[in-house]
Amino acid sequence: QQPVQSPQAVILREGEDAVINCSSSKALYSVHWYRQKHGEAPVFLMILLKGGEQKGHEKISASFNEKKQQSSLYLTASQLSYSGTYFCGTASGNTPLVFGKGTRLSVIA
Amino acid sequence: KAGVTQTPRYLIKTRGQQVTLSCSPISGHRSVSWYQQTPGQGLQFLFEYFSETQRNKGNFPGRFSGRQFSNSRSEMNVSTLELGDSALYLCASSFGQHYTEAFFGQGTRLTVV
Repeated sequence: QQPVQSPQAVILREGEDAVINCSSSKALYSVHWYRQKHGEAPVFLMILLKGGEQKGHEKISASFNEKKQQSSLYLTASQLSYSGTYFCGTASGNTPLVFGKGTRLSVIA
Repeated sequence: KAGVTQTPRYLIKTRGQQVTLSCSPISGHRSVSWYQQTPGQGLQFLFEYFSETQRNKGNFPGRFSGRQFSNSRSEMNVSTLELGDSALYLCASSFGQHYTEAFFGQGTRLTVV
């Protein structure tokens, strides 16, 4: 079952922060975050395994609430290079990695 | 190391024809998954293969099929093409199952006219 992402789109000015949410109706084992720029392949950002841990990648971090079956991606002090579409992917048990519809992030100067 | 390679990059086909897309995963990766990407729909899961076995299949009609070879290379086939099959088809490879990162290829852009 496809996870639900919110918001669908967001526009930021450089330096502003954003949060992208991902929720599933199924119990999750892992949550994956990817960023895709126009005309390019999705690029892996981070993976979170069940346990509620938080991970970071430069100024991008994420959390995973196993009980709520939710994950959030945090982008702080956004840069122009952060623009793109962010996808969360979820997997549980023997189910495949399925992705949400994406959140389009635009960072403007 | 070399990334995931998909061929061809672009393809134009006529309704009713069939098409075969190829994906060569990263060396050592045994898992290959296929996704269909269309505007507004995100990445729709098609198939997942691990060591030549189809582990999962998405909610697509039987016209969509795939396979994986002993060298982990994978192909997907779409028969009796429809206009709605026009999309970017992405292949992703990973070393193990769903707790390892997946690496995507550049995709094959299929246009059905």
